[in-house]
Amino acid sequence: EAGVAQSPRYKIIEKRQSVAFWCNPISGHATLYWYQQILGQGPKLLIQFQNNGVVDDSQLPKDRFSAERLKGVDSTLKIQPAKLEDSAVYLCASSSPKGQFFGPGTRLTVL
Amino acid sequence: AQSVTQPDIHITVSEGASLELRCNYSYGATPYLFWYVQSPGQGLQLLLKYFSGDTLVQGIKGFEAEFKRSQSSFNLRKPSVHWSDAAEYFCAVGGRLSSGGSNYKLTFGKGTLLTVNP
Repeated sequence: EAGVAQSPRYKIIEKRQSVAFWCNPISGHATLYWYQQILGQGPKLLIQFQNNGVVDDSQLPKDRFSAERLKGVDSTLKIQPAKLEDSAVYLCASSSPKGQFFGPGTRLTVL
Repeated sequence: AQSVTQPDIHITVSEGASLELRCNYSYGATPYLFWYVQSPGQGLQLLLKYFSGDTLVQGIKGFEAEFKRSQSSFNLRKPSVHWSDAAEYFCAVGGRLSSGGSNYKLTFGKGTLLTVNP
């Protein structure tokens, strides 16, 4: 069974630029999550989708972050404009009754 | 609000020694509890989970964890550590949302970094 796929693996941008991350969940998983993991901390949930609908986006900084899952499969997370404090690893996960499974993450560096 | 405390930021053990990583949680109902492991530059790998039933849970790589409701704890154990176990370990708590199914929102602790000496 293929795992959660994410791209790119690494991204370096300058502040005020925009960036987008892509995630393809495990086949058949209806629930998809985006997390932000700052160095030295545990992951923090940004947004959760059930199919193509948003279940929880209470911790998403909506003035600069947006996410979509238009067809209920792939998802993109966008940051526009980026700030220095957005430097982190962005993890995508999907879940089934067996648990929540994570992709390898995208490491974002904002200069 | 749900929360997780991992009291130990960094633990060092010798290869072959036993290991226990501590996790305390706060949750208003019966929690779902998880342990994940993260190697440098990698995503999180699920080691084991507790949903209900037997409070001693077996996971992959020889790890186990015990849910103790009275102590709000879910400590991770391994009887004999291997050098390849060196990584960061995260405890997480979640619960069902009103929509049921597999919709659980996880809150993670800050992690415990495990170093294994030869």
